[in-house]
Amino acid sequence: KQEVTQIPAALSVPEGENLVLNCSFTDSAIYNLQWFRQDPGKGLTSLLLIQSSQREQTSGRLNASLDKSSGRSTLYIAASQPGDSATYLCAVNAGSQGNLIFGKGTKLSVKP
Amino acid sequence: EPEVTQTPSHQVTQMGQEVILRCVPISNHLYFYWYRQILGQKVEFLVSFYNNEISEKSEIFDDQFSVERPDGSNFTLKIRSTKLEDSAMYFCASRRTGNSNQPQHFGDGTRLSIL
Repeated sequence: KQEVTQIPAALSVPEGENLVLNCSFTDSAIYNLQWFRQDPGKGLTSLLLIQSSQREQTSGRLNASLDKSSGRSTLYIAASQPGDSATYLCAVNAGSQGNLIFGKGTKLSVKP
Repeated sequence: EPEVTQTPSHQVTQMGQEVILRCVPISNHLYFYWYRQILGQKVEFLVSFYNNEISEKSEIFDDQFSVERPDGSNFTLKIRSTKLEDSAMYFCASRRTGNSNQPQHFGDGTRLSIL
């Protein structure tokens, strides 16, 4: 059974720092991996999707990598800003119908 | 940018009552999903829907749950006889095609509180 784990559970950094969030999954047979952002009381905003054949994806200050064989993905945030404060969720698509299996998330706080 | 919209944003219901949560997926999307998130826990998959039928469902999605696409725009989740443990945030999501390079887009959720 696929399990997704994210560490750390919470992270607090000063503004301007570069940071890395980690995601691991137990079964490497995935179609893709998606990173989301969740603000308190809000829905999930898709940040990046990496297909199983890809190694990384970039969008602005965000870079996500995927090492399928070791069951790991990282989300790199460059030059963090207070507006980046949110919970970041990692989810793997392991089924042919697209259902996602989520990690519990990393709660990020960026201090001004 | 097109969005997935969910109504209501908050629903309070007595235990044992039926509840219907509504979603309007992005208009040209073909795959639809419901997820739930119990407070402090992971987001969990409930059901996927394609071509007017359920394509996959989780263990959580028992006989108390049903989904429907009553017209060309709405996608609903019905819980027949609510229990206290059904209290959660329910998210609807849609995806344009079955291609693995297509992300799922989520609504803002409906917070369901069972009293």
